[in-house]
Amino acid sequence: EAQVTQNPRYLITVTGKKLTVTCSQNMNHEYMSWYRQDPGLGLRQIYYSMNVEVTDKGDVPEGYKVSRKEKRNFPLILESPSPNQTSLYFCASRPQGVGQETQYFGPGTRLLVL
Amino acid sequence: AQSVSQHNHHVILSEAASLELGCNYSYGGTVNLFWYVQYPGQHLQLLLKYFSGDPLVKGIKGFEAEFIKSKFSFNLRKPSVQWSDTAEYFCAVNPRPPGNTGKLIFGQGTTLQVKP
Repeated sequence: EAQVTQNPRYLITVTGKKLTVTCSQNMNHEYMSWYRQDPGLGLRQIYYSMNVEVTDKGDVPEGYKVSRKEKRNFPLILESPSPNQTSLYFCASRPQGVGQETQYFGPGTRLLVL
Repeated sequence: AQSVSQHNHHVILSEAASLELGCNYSYGGTVNLFWYVQYPGQHLQLLLKYFSGDPLVKGIKGFEAEFIKSKFSFNLRKPSVQWSDTAEYFCAVNPRPPGNTGKLIFGQGTTLQVKP
């Protein structure tokens, strides 16, 4: 089944404790992206990747890192989480070509930083 | 700056009522337009999209949307809602090249509650 998976789905952590949220897609998509969803703000892009080893900042990149060493994986790293990073996180992927701009979303990771 | 605005933040309807959710965007160039739905506890699913051609597009579950270029709008409609349509609805815009980073710019979301 074609899908985007994220792990963990729920995470409670404390301020300053490094964490990684994994994202994997099995559709051979070039483009992958991370969003955070906050009430009243919709989804905002954190980072995106056009292909392996090609990443760039989205609208709200502060406090986050990403890497794209393999086409299928796009982990989101919080080096020193803070309470303002408490949010619902979505990973998404899509093919790169024109007319292929529909993004497919993972199930989400709900993060609470104490 | 590019932005998407959804006019209604919370809509409450009775079953069989008609639905229209407003969406306007600010971007002078060509765009791809989307409506996503998020059912309680689930991830975002694509309802419908517009890339080009007929500005009236039909999606899943009886939803449709009309792109009005002169008004920078992409409103979502459904003639008769069901209780199972209770969800959060997001309008999103993908500006096309130049400067296309593939980013989706989302509206704030509209929570639809359908009473049985």
